[in-house]
Amino acid sequence: AQTVTQSQPEMSVQEAETVTLSCTYDTSESDYYLFWYKQPPSRQMILVIRQEAYKQQNATENRFSVNFQKAAKSFSLKISDSQLGDAAMYFCAYRSARLHRDDKIIFGKGTRLHILP
Amino acid sequence: NAGVTQTPKFRVLKTGQSMTLLCAQDMNHEYMYWYRQDPGMGLRLIHYSVGEGTTAKGEVPDGYNVSRLKKQNFLLGLESAAPSQTSVYFCASRRAVEADEQYFGPGTRLTVT
Repeated sequence: AQTVTQSQPEMSVQEAETVTLSCTYDTSESDYYLFWYKQPPSRQMILVIRQEAYKQQNATENRFSVNFQKAAKSFSLKISDSQLGDAAMYFCAYRSARLHRDDKIIFGKGTRLHILP
Repeated sequence: NAGVTQTPKFRVLKTGQSMTLLCAQDMNHEYMYWYRQDPGMGLRLIHYSVGEGTTAKGEVPDGYNVSRLKKQNFLLGLESAAPSQTSVYFCASRRAVEADEQYFGPGTRLTVT
């Protein structure tokens, strides 16, 4: 069974600085998708970034980028120029790429990010 | 386009009472999911559905039942609520497309006393 591990329950970063959130996963599959979701105090889950495992190029979305290391099964999220609005719980998630009836997404336990003004 | 909506937003139940949480989506998504979120546990999948009339168990299905009679609705039922079911419940949906992400509702905070 697949597992997703976020080893940092909480992190803090100074406003305008860069922070990296770690995520590792375990799978025997070769084709899958990885996601980072953000959950601000409003509780709404928001997709931050997505990575297809077959793509070697790391995904980027404005100030957010990932470091995807397939062999090491690592998927870290880098937030550049941190802003107060980035304060939230961040979840790493895994989903198999196979479209089959056993469709599931596996979430890590989350990292709470604090932004220090 | 409302996206994914959940009813109610908050609810307090006494042990043994029953209730149904409603999830509705207007995006014509095939797949729908129910999760629960507890402190330090992340999101755990309760049940999911890959199409109208079909449901399947997730990671923590005990004590819950679901139904998907219409494509746009996914109902989560608690037949006899227990304090262990105090949690925040999220519904999500997505298209039956490989790369598509899940779209989440705003959550329902349920307290069982």
